[in-house]
This record gives sequence, C-alpha cells and structure tokens, in this order.
Amino acid sequence: DGGITQSPKYLFRKEGQNVTLSCEQNLNHDAMYWYRQDPGQGLRLIYYSQIVNDFQKGDIAEGYSVSREKKESFPLTVTSAQKNPTAFYLCASSRDSTPGANVLTFGAGSRLTVL
Amino acid sequence: QQPVQSPQAVILREGEDAVINCSSSKALYSVHWYRQKHGEAPVFLMILLKGGEQKGHDKISASFNEKKQQSSLYLTASQLSYSGTYFCGTVNAGGTSYGKLTFGQGTILTVHP
Repeated sequence: DGGITQSPKYLFRKEGQNVTLSCEQNLNHDAMYWYRQDPGQGLRLIYYSQIVNDFQKGDIAEGYSVSREKKESFPLTVTSAQKNPTAFYLCASSRDSTPGANVLTFGAGSRLTVL
Repeated sequence: QQPVQSPQAVILREGEDAVINCSSSKALYSVHWYRQKHGEAPVFLMILLKGGEQKGHDKISASFNEKKQQSSLYLTASQLSYSGTYFCGTVNAGGTSYGKLTFGQGTILTVHP
C-alpha cells in the first residue's frame, strides 16, 4: 500500500544535540511538507518542497533544516538552534503543489521530546 | 498568517448539528478541511476551490465565501465517529505563497452518546 513512513515514532534528545527525522513516501508525489503540531496552535508549516533539489521556508523555519535529494525522501533536521523543539512533527505529501491538487496525505508523525 | 477557526471547541450529543468557521485576512484561492482523531494523522475531508462553492461528504458539507474570505464546515446529525479535531487549511491567491497550505489552530469536536 502506498503511504508515508515517518521514523522514529518517538525520540528523546538532550539539549544541544541535532536530530534528524525521516520521512519517506511511495506515492510518487512531487511535493512534500513538514508541519509542527503544538497544543492549541494547530499545524504550522516548517518547510515544503515542490520538486527535487528545491525547498522553501514555511512560517517557522528557524532552527530547522531539510534536504530533498530524492523524490521519495524529505528528512528534517532539528538543530540545537531551535529553542523549543519538543513537539509532534508531521510529514505530508501531495501530488503536486498546484492549488487544488495539493491534497495532503500525512504520515503518522514523530514525537520529539527534549530532556 | 494562520486562518482563524471558531469555535475552539464544541461538545455535542449524537444527532445534533454543528458549524465550524474558518476566516482569513487574505484573499484565498482554496480552502481545505481535515479531521484528526486523537493520536492519529490528519485525514483529508474536502477542498473548496471556487468562491461560493459548496461540497458535501456524507452528512458533512462545507461552503466557501470568497468575498468574505471565509469557509464553514457543517456537520449534521452528528455521530460518535465525528469526534476529533477539525482543521481548515488555506491557500492564498497569487503572490509567492503558491502551493503553500496554512492551517488554522483547530476546533475540537466531541460527540457524546
């Protein structure tokens, strides 16, 4: 079955450490997204990529980095510069980013806790 | 800039109706609606592309008023399975935000027997 796989599901990190969250899709979708979810704040866009080797900052990109070297993969690195990284992270993809075609399919999420 | 949803939370008995509103300060190209059950990923419900468009999905329907930059989600004869958090997502018309889907803060809907 086609879908999005995020790993790990749970992750604990010490302050000052970088951590990378994996996101892989086998839907042959062009566009991929990373959202952060905090209670009461909904889903906030971190980065998105419309095509391989290209990506754009979302609303809260500071302290995060991404790469898009392959169509199916869009890993997110949470760096030590991110001041409040404890959150639930959701990866999503869409057929493309054309308005109307950008119906998102989400992964199951990764919960990051900074100790 | 995030669209604003209201109300923040709704509590219903089975069979009752509810309306969730979503408004934006910017001109919109499209509005999306998603539902997220506790501990699960958000799931797509519907997308509205044109001003004044209305869509339905079982007993869940939505409208999009392009001029007012607002959308409403209507849940009729609610069922227990409707419980969850509902998010609207918006794509702004034109500019550099092409393809960027921005979500509201969510509305928590709880349906009791």
